Amino acid sequence: AQSVAQPEDQVNVAEGNPLTVKCTYSVSGNPYLFWYVQYPNRGLQFLLKYITGDNLVKGSYGFEAEFNKSQTSFHLKKPSALVSDSALYFCAVREGQAGTALIFGKGTTLSVSS
Amino acid sequence: DTAVSQTPKYLVTQMGNDKSIKCEQNLGHDTMYWYKQDSKKFLKIMFSYNNKELIINETVPNRFSPKSPDKAHLNLHINSLELGDSAVYFCASSHPTTGELFFGEGSRLTVL
Repeated sequence: AQSVAQPEDQVNVAEGNPLTVKCTYSVSGNPYLFWYVQYPNRGLQFLLKYITGDNLVKGSYGFEAEFNKSQTSFHLKKPSALVSDSALYFCAVREGQAGTALIFGKGTTLSVSS
Repeated sequence: DTAVSQTPKYLVTQMGNDKSIKCEQNLGHDTMYWYKQDSKKFLKIMFSYNNKELIINETVPNRFSPKSPDKAHLNLHINSLELGDSAVYFCASSHPTTGELFFGEGSRLTVL
């Protein structure tokens, strides 16, 4: 069965510093990996995805993620954090054909201080 | 022009009541989902429909019944509401090739 782990409940970083939010996954086939962000009392917004191709994926708002097959990881990164990046971040995975549900990690709260 | 819209956004009701949440998407996607987000923010898949046909039905009490009148709509009806049903329910639809999910804004259900 597929699963996703986000080992950190919370990540704290100062504005202007680089940030990393960690994600590891487990699937039996090829993974389709996603990052979503949720602001308070809002729905989830798509940030980026890895389907195939380059291991470094660039997404919205300056975020990027690196797919590492040997470590089964898909960490989210940003070179310079903004206070407005403070939110709840979810990593998700699916395997197989489109139409199967995404399985989400438990989420990581990112707090960026000014 | 909202892609995935849910109504109502907030729902407060008494235990034992029956309530429904409606969802509509204008993206032309074939597959729609209901997810439940609990108080700890965990997101759990409940149901998935593909072109009006149920394809995922996770371990959810049979008090929850999804209905899809057409592929643009997926409604969720809940009978005999319990305190533990309090949560935010998200509707989503998925891109046909990448599987990217497009979420509604959520419906916050509070059972008193």
